[in-house]
This record gives sequence, C-alpha cells and structure tokens, in this order.
Amino acid sequence: AQSVTQLGSHVSVSEGALVLLRCNYSSSVPPYLFWYVQYPNQGLQLLLKYTTGATLVKGINGFEAEFKKSETSFHLTKPSAHMSDAAEYFCAVSDQSTGNQFYFGTGTSLTVIP
Amino acid sequence: DAGITQSPRHKVTETGTPVTLRCHQTENHRYMYWYRQDPGHGLRLIHYSYGVKDTDKGEVSDGYSVSRSKTEDFLLTLESATSSQTSVYFCAISDGTIISYEQYFGPGTRLTVT
Repeated sequence: AQSVTQLGSHVSVSEGALVLLRCNYSSSVPPYLFWYVQYPNQGLQLLLKYTTGATLVKGINGFEAEFKKSETSFHLTKPSAHMSDAAEYFCAVSDQSTGNQFYFGTGTSLTVIP
Repeated sequence: DAGITQSPRHKVTETGTPVTLRCHQTENHRYMYWYRQDPGHGLRLIHYSYGVKDTDKGEVSDGYSVSRSKTEDFLLTLESATSSQTSVYFCAISDGTIISYEQYFGPGTRLTVT
C-alpha cells in the first residue's frame, strides 16, 4: 500500500530564502508523485508531477522537485521564497496498480516572513 | 482551469438529516473522486468512480454513498448526517492516462453538521 509522510506540518522561511518542503513516500511499485498547493478557501492546484523520465521536475511558480528512488523522497524546493508562496502544500503518491487512487500527505503550511 | 463545479459551496444541516453534494465536470474525464479534508489528516478518499455506474470505496467510506448516472455528475450522499461529518469536501477528476495522470480539484463544499 502507498503512503506519504510530510516532515514538518509548519515551515517558516524569510522572504528571499530557500524553501524546502520534505516528502517521503512508500510504494511497492514505481510511483507517480505529485505536489499540490492550496491557498485559503480554495481547492488544490497542481504544482508539479513525476510519472516517468527525468527525475528533476519543474513546476509552476518557480518550484521544482527531485525524485530520489534510493531515498524514497520527492522534496519540493524553491530558491527564493516570495510572500505569495504562503499556502498549504500537499504531497501525493499514486501508481497504476491503485485504480488511479491518490494518497495524500497531511500537508505542510508554509509561512513567509517579510 | 479544469471545469469542475461543486454545489452547494456551503451548507449547514442538523444531525440526522440527509445531505447530497453534487460535483459537475465539463472535461469528460473518466475518473471522479470525493475527498474530505480535516485538520491534521490531509485529504482522505471517501469514494471514487471509474465510469458511469462504476464506483468503489475509499479509505473513509462509512456513512457515505455515491452515485454516477452520467459522466459529468458525481453525487455524494450522507444518509443521516453526524457531527463527525463536519468537514470540507472536495471533488476531483482525472482522465487517468499516463500523459495526464493528475487529479484536478473543485473549489470545495464546507459542510457543518449541528
């Protein structure tokens, strides 16, 4: 069965600093991995995804993530935080054996300090 | 943005009353999902559908039923609402292909059971 662990339910960074949000997954088959962002009172928006191919994937708003099979990780990074990055971030895992089911982490709330 | 609407967007109801939430899509996607979002739990799958009249249970299906009589509509019913079902409910859709495996989310329905 798949599962996702997001280390740190709350992360604070200064504006202009590196953003690093951690995600580790458990999957018995090659995973598909996703990061979503949720702004207050809104639905989830896809930031980026890894299904096959290049392990370093780039997404919207300057975010990127690297799939590391040996570490079962898919950490989200952004070189320089902006105030507009303040939101809740969710990591999710799926694969073709799960009937398109996604398994979400419990989320990380990112605060950006001016 | 994917064409997904949810209705109602907000609802307050009393314990023991039936409630139906509607998800409508204009993307003709095969898969549709209902999640609930609660603090500290992330998103948890309630039920999902992989085609018209084809549905299956998710992680937290007790107390909920679903129906999908048309590709575009997926209904979630709480037969007898309880206070533990107070939550924010999200619908999501996916076409499930490797090229576009991600799920797209609706804006959510905030349900309060008093």
